Amino acid sequence: EPEVTQTPSHQVTQMGQEVILRCVPISNHLYFYWYRQILGQKVEFLVSFYNNEISEKSEIFDDQFSVERPDGSNFTLKIRSTKLEDSAMYFCASSEKKPSNYGYTFGSGTRLTVV
Amino acid sequence: SQKIEQNSEALNIQEGKTATLTCNYTNYSPAYLQWYRQDPGRGPVFLLLIRENEKEKRKERLKVTFDTTLKQSLFHITASQPADSATYLCAPLSGGYNKLIFGAGTRLAVHP
Repeated sequence: EPEVTQTPSHQVTQMGQEVILRCVPISNHLYFYWYRQILGQKVEFLVSFYNNEISEKSEIFDDQFSVERPDGSNFTLKIRSTKLEDSAMYFCASSEKKPSNYGYTFGSGTRLTVV
Repeated sequence: SQKIEQNSEALNIQEGKTATLTCNYTNYSPAYLQWYRQDPGRGPVFLLLIRENEKEKRKERLKVTFDTTLKQSLFHITASQPADSATYLCAPLSGGYNKLIFGAGTRLAVHP
C-alpha cells in the first residue's frame, strides 16, 4: 500500500536554529498538508498546499514557517528560527482529491525537540 | 467559532462488547465527516468517511452514523478486540474545503 514517508523520524535542534522537515507524499496525490501535535494535545492543522501554492494556513503558521515542493516528489516544512514551543510531532499528509473517499494519508511523523 | 467535541475521558470496555464513541460539532454544517484512528507516536489512519446525505456507513466491524439535525456522529466498533485500543479522532469537513480539523479524540481501551 502506498505510504507517505517522513524524514527524519526524530530531530533535536537548538533554539534559534533553522530546521527542515521532509516528506515524500504519495505520487498521484495532488493535495499536501502539514499538521503538528504537541505532546498530549490534539492534532492541529498548519497548512495546505495545492498546485504549487499555499491554499490555506492556520494562525500557527506564521512568518517563521514556510513550505516548499522543490521537485515532483518532496514536500518540505521549514521553521526558520525554532522556539521551545515548536517542540512537537509534525505530520505530513496527502490526499488524492478534495475531499477523497480515501481520506488523507498521514506519514509517521517527525518528532522535533527544541532545546 | 467552529467547535468539535469528543469525550475527553477514556472509554474502557470488555473484549467482545460494542464500543460507541461520540462526536458533536457546533457552529458549522459539514458536508462530510471522517473518522481516524491514532496509535501513540503514530500518524492518524483514515477509517471511514460519511456524507451528509448518508445516515449510516459500515466497514467490517465499524459503523458510523451522521445526524445533521443533532450535529452529531456516532462511531461504533462491534465485537471489540484489544487491538482496537487506540485514540479515535473525528473530523467534520465542510464542502468546498479540504482542510481537516480534528477533535481532541477519545481514547478507547479494550480489556481482555
